[in-house]
Amino acid sequence: EAGVAQSPRYKIIEKRQSVAFWCNPISGHATLYWYQQILGQGPKLLIQFQNNGVVDDSQLPKDRFSAERLKGVDSTLKIQPAKLEDSAVYLCASSLERTGDGYTFGSGTRLTVV
Amino acid sequence: AQTVTQSQPEMSVQEAETVTLSCTYDTSESDYYLFWYKQPPSRQMILVIRQEAYKQQNATENRFSVNFQKAAKSFSLKISDSQLGDAAMYFCAYTMNYGGSQGNLIFGKGTKLSVKP
Repeated sequence: EAGVAQSPRYKIIEKRQSVAFWCNPISGHATLYWYQQILGQGPKLLIQFQNNGVVDDSQLPKDRFSAERLKGVDSTLKIQPAKLEDSAVYLCASSLERTGDGYTFGSGTRLTVV
Repeated sequence: AQTVTQSQPEMSVQEAETVTLSCTYDTSESDYYLFWYKQPPSRQMILVIRQEAYKQQNATENRFSVNFQKAAKSFSLKISDSQLGDAAMYFCAYTMNYGGSQGNLIFGKGTKLSVKP
């Protein structure tokens, strides 16, 4: 089975610019997650979707971050405007709705804000 | 709030030897899942092993096994016969069991494992 696809793999932008990341989950996975992983730390949830509805976005900085999941499949995470502290790896993961098998992660996008 | 603590930022092991990575967690829930993930330089999180809290038997996957102490809220990972390919960051993670559905994964800060030839 194909894995979770993410693009781009790397991105360098200047502060105050905007950037978007794309994620294509595993086919049939109802739940999609975006995580932010700052260097030296474990991933932290930004937003969780169930199909195309938001389940949890309590840790998403909504003044600058936005995310959508159209048609319950692909998802896009946007940052506008970017700050230096947004430099991190952004990981996308997906899972079946009712399972304890964990998540399947993509390879992430490494964002550097200069 | 649930938290996951990994107290060993770095660990080192000789090839073919055994190493144990520590993890403790804090939760008031009784039904949850615990995981160990491996993150190589490629950045992709790879599931190593999982444990369901209501199962007393410790999970094992080939060379990987856990010591799950529910009362002590401890979940350590033992890697036997360490191989060079085991070198990576290892993350302990927790999620509540919402009646069979899993929720958000809460991660520790990770342990960097080096394997010496």
